[in-house]
Amino acid sequence: AQTVTQSQPEMSVQEAETVTLSCTYDTSESDYYLFWYKQPPSRQMILVIRQEAYKQQNATENRFSVNFQKAAKSFSLKISDSQLGDAAMYFCAYKTSYDKVIFGPGTSLSVIP
Amino acid sequence: SAVISQKPSRDICQRGTSLTIQCQVDSQVTMMFWYRQQPGQSLTLIATANQGSEATYESGFVIDKFPISRPNLTFSTLTVSNMSPEDSSIYLCSVGSRAVLNTEAFFGQGTRLTVV
Repeated sequence: AQTVTQSQPEMSVQEAETVTLSCTYDTSESDYYLFWYKQPPSRQMILVIRQEAYKQQNATENRFSVNFQKAAKSFSLKISDSQLGDAAMYFCAYKTSYDKVIFGPGTSLSVIP
Repeated sequence: SAVISQKPSRDICQRGTSLTIQCQVDSQVTMMFWYRQQPGQSLTLIATANQGSEATYESGFVIDKFPISRPNLTFSTLTVSNMSPEDSSIYLCSVGSRAVLNTEAFFGQGTRLTVV
């Protein structure tokens, strides 16, 4: 069964600094998709960034980038130039070939002014 | 992308009663998913709802407790039956399409359920 692990329940970062959120996953599939979702207090799930497993190049989306290590089954999120609006729960997620999305336990990110 | 409307956005219910949550999508989708997010927790998949067939439930979830309807390709309902305080959670509807493999899952805004 596929599982997603986030070992950091809480993280904090100074405004304008950089923070990295960790994620590991377990799967026997070779083709899959990985995501980072953000959930602010409004509880709306917002896609931050996605990575296709067959692509070796790490995805980048403005201030957000990932370090995807397929062999190690690792998928970390780096947030550069952190802003107050980045404060939220961040969920690492794995999408199976049947479109089910499996979520990690989440990391609560605080941004310190 | 897909726009998903969920109703109600929140409700407070008496134990022993049932609540039906509606999920409307602005486009036809193959699969719809229902998730539960207990307070301070991650999202857990309840079931997958395909149009024209019975929903497929994940381990720990049963049809008698969470009956699901999927009458067409744009609509689904989840009923939380015989509620207890332990059912207090956020329930989220999500959609995906195997036809477009690189899309993310889209989510409704969730229904915050409190059982008293």
